Formats: sequence, structure tokens, C-alpha cells
Amino acid sequence: TQLLEQSPQFLSIQEGENLTVYCNSSSVFSSLQWYRQEPGEGPVLLVTVVTGGEVKKLKRLTFQFGDARKDSSLHITAAQPGDTGLYLCAGLNAGNNRKLIWGLGTSLAVNP
Amino acid sequence: DAGVIQSPRHEVTEMGQEVTLRCKPISGHDYLFWYRQTMMRGLELLIYFNNNVPIDDSGMPEDRFSAKMPNASFSTLKIQPSEPRDSAVYFCASSLTGVRGQPQHFGDGTRLSIL
Repeated sequence: TQLLEQSPQFLSIQEGENLTVYCNSSSVFSSLQWYRQEPGEGPVLLVTVVTGGEVKKLKRLTFQFGDARKDSSLHITAAQPGDTGLYLCAGLNAGNNRKLIWGLGTSLAVNP
Repeated sequence: DAGVIQSPRHEVTEMGQEVTLRCKPISGHDYLFWYRQTMMRGLELLIYFNNNVPIDDSGMPEDRFSAKMPNASFSTLKIQPSEPRDSAVYFCASSLTGVRGQPQHFGDGTRLSIL
């Protein structure tokens, strides 16, 4: 069974701090997606990374796909309370381009 | 544009009752997914459809669960009989055919509590 492990599970920081969350697997993925989920809502896609070593930026968020396409990281610079939420990574394997493998998520709280 | 619409938003019922969850995908999307989310197990894929046809139902926990997609704009997930361990948030998501990495668009979920 493919697994995606996310760390840390919980993170509480002050506004303005930087943070990195990780998504790791022993399996290779053809692509990896990051979603953010707010309370009472469904996950919303932030970014998709496809190429090993790829880096994508979304304002203060930087996403990186590992060279071997087994892991990914999300770095947030100068976190704001609006960044609070559950961050989920989900991988697509090469054999089935519809069935996402999901991590359990990192729950981030940014305190003003 | 309307997103994925799920109903009801909340459902509280007693053990043994039948529960029906409903989903309207985004118009034009040809994939539909049903997920269950709990703190312990995270997001679990239950079943997904392509062009109204079930493709993979390996995540359906047992025969008490069934899902249908009678047309491109409507799907149901039914639990009969319901049990307390079925309590969770159930999400429906839809997506388009395309090259790898098509995003899944989620509804706001149905929070199900079985007493």
C-alpha cells in the first residue's frame, strides 16, 4: 500500500514566522498535489508539481518536488493568520492517473 | 460558476437507519469521487466514476455502502443500515479528463453522525 507521510502533524506559530512542512513516501509519483482545507469546507488545490526537482511559488508559498519524485515540501514565508488550515499532499502514481494517494495532513495555526 | 454541491450539510440519525448523501458535480466534469474523512484515517477514497460508470469501488468499506450515478449531474452514496462507526465527513469531488494532475474540486461535505 502506498503511503504519504506528512510532518509535522500539528504546527502552531506566530504571525511573521517561517515554516516548512514535509510530505514523504517510499514510492515514486508521477505528480503531486498540495491542497488546503479550512474548517467546514472541502480541500482546495494550491499547486501541482510534476517534474523531479520542480519548484513552484504561489505568493509566500514555495513548493518543491524531490528529485526522485518521492517527496515534497511546502515552505511558507512570513506566515499570516489567513494561512491557518489543514495542508494536504496527494500523489498520483504512474499506473492510475485518477486515484490520489493522500497524506493525513499538517494542521497549521498562525496566531496574530 | 457553481462548484460541487452536496446535500445535506449535516445529518444526524440513529443506528440502523438508511442514510442517503447527494452530490451534484461541476457541469462538464466527467470524473466523480466519493471520499470519507476522519481524524484517524484522513481522506479515504470510497469509489469513483468516469462518465457515470463506477471504475474503482475498492475503498467501499462493506456491503452496507452503495453508490450510484444515474446521470452526469447527480450521484448518491447510500449507507444501509448505518452504524456509529460510519460517523465522518463525506466529500464528493469532481474533475475533468486530462493529462496527469487534473485538480479535484470538492464540495463542502456532509457531516454524518450516527447515534
